Parts: sequence; C-alpha cells; structure tokens
Amino acid sequence: GENVEQHPSTLSVQEGDSAVIKCTYSDSASNYFPWYKQELGKGPQLIIDIRSNVGEKKDQRIAVTLNKTAKHFSLHITETQPEDSAVYFCAANSGAGSYQLTFGKGTKLSVIP
Amino acid sequence: EAGVVQSPRYKIIEKKQPVAFWCNPISGHNTLYWYLQNLGQGPELLIRYENEEAVDDSQLPKDRFSAERLKGVDSTLKIQPAELGDSAVYLCASSQNGGVTEAFFGQGTRLTVV
Repeated sequence: GENVEQHPSTLSVQEGDSAVIKCTYSDSASNYFPWYKQELGKGPQLIIDIRSNVGEKKDQRIAVTLNKTAKHFSLHITETQPEDSAVYFCAANSGAGSYQLTFGKGTKLSVIP
Repeated sequence: EAGVVQSPRYKIIEKKQPVAFWCNPISGHNTLYWYLQNLGQGPELLIRYENEEAVDDSQLPKDRFSAERLKGVDSTLKIQPAELGDSAVYLCASSQNGGVTEAFFGQGTRLTVV
C-alpha cells in the first residue's frame, strides 16, 4: 500500500518568513495530493491540493509543487502569519482514482510574532 | 451551509463498555469516511461508504468495531467492547461522488478509555 513520509515534524519560523514542508510517497500510481491544516481541537481542513497532471499550484500565500519522477511534493507558505500556526498534513491517494487517502504524520508549524 | 457534524465531541468510558459515535455529512455528499487519529499522527481510514454501501472496510477491526449508514445519510460507528488502546480521535469526513474530490472533515469525537 501507499506510504507517505513527511518532514520536518516540527518547524518554527519568524513571522514574515517562508515555511516549507516536504513529503514523499511510494505508490507511483497515486494522482491526488491534498494538504490539510488542523488547528487544536478541530478537524483537518483542506488548504490546497494538486493532481498529477500539474507540477505546481498556487493560492495566494500557499503553493504546492509536485515531482512525479522523484515522488515527492512540497508545501510552501510565504509571508507567514501567527494564524498559520497549526499542524499540517500531506496526503496521497492509494492509486489512480482511489478515494483512500494515506496521510503523513504531520508537521507542527509555529510562527513566532 | 453546515459542515460535517459529529457527536459527541468528547466521550470518557471505562474499558469493556460499548460506545457509539454519530456523524451527519454535508448535504448531497454520497461518500462518507470514518478515520482514526492517534495523538501526534495523521488520520487513518477505517471505513468508506458510497451511499449506504461500505465499499472499503479493510482497515476496520471487525471483532469489536462496526459501522452503519442505513439510509445513505447519517452514520454511526460503534466499538464494543472498548479497550484502552482505542483512546483516540474519531473523525468523520464526506465528499461528493464523481472521482477523487475534496473530503470535508468534522471536528471529531475524542474518546478516552479508562
């Protein structure tokens, strides 16, 4: 089955700096890669996703890149703000068209004012 | 539009007791998921429903866990009997049909087994 590795497990940045979180996946047939943000006491919330037919996607301060050959994808947050502090999870579906998501273990991002 | 609603938010029970969680998905979402989230870990799929049919329950520990979605809308997840290791957050999510689309999560039920 699919295996998703996520790094780093914790990340502290100064407000205004950029944050980068990296994930690798094992199943070359995976074609959907969402990123979720989870705040304390809440369920995960989708912030951006990318499909295997594109290499990069951007939404305001958030961008995701995908390298299918290397089987890794990354989340980039620019101009970080204190409200970006949360746990971020990457995920990959288990094979093309599969509904099942395999999640990474999460990255706890702290943005220091 | 209301999101995915789960209840209760918190539940504390003694080991060997039964417990049930309830989920109401977003209106019109035919696909419903139950995930387990241990502390410091990402969610892990337990079961997926397409309407009232469980189409992926390979990760559900069937000796003590059961789930149902009788009318293809609300769903319940039950554990009987609960064990100490079942302490975790149980998340429900839903998505529309038609391929791999965004899954919306509820706030989860935090279960503590003592």
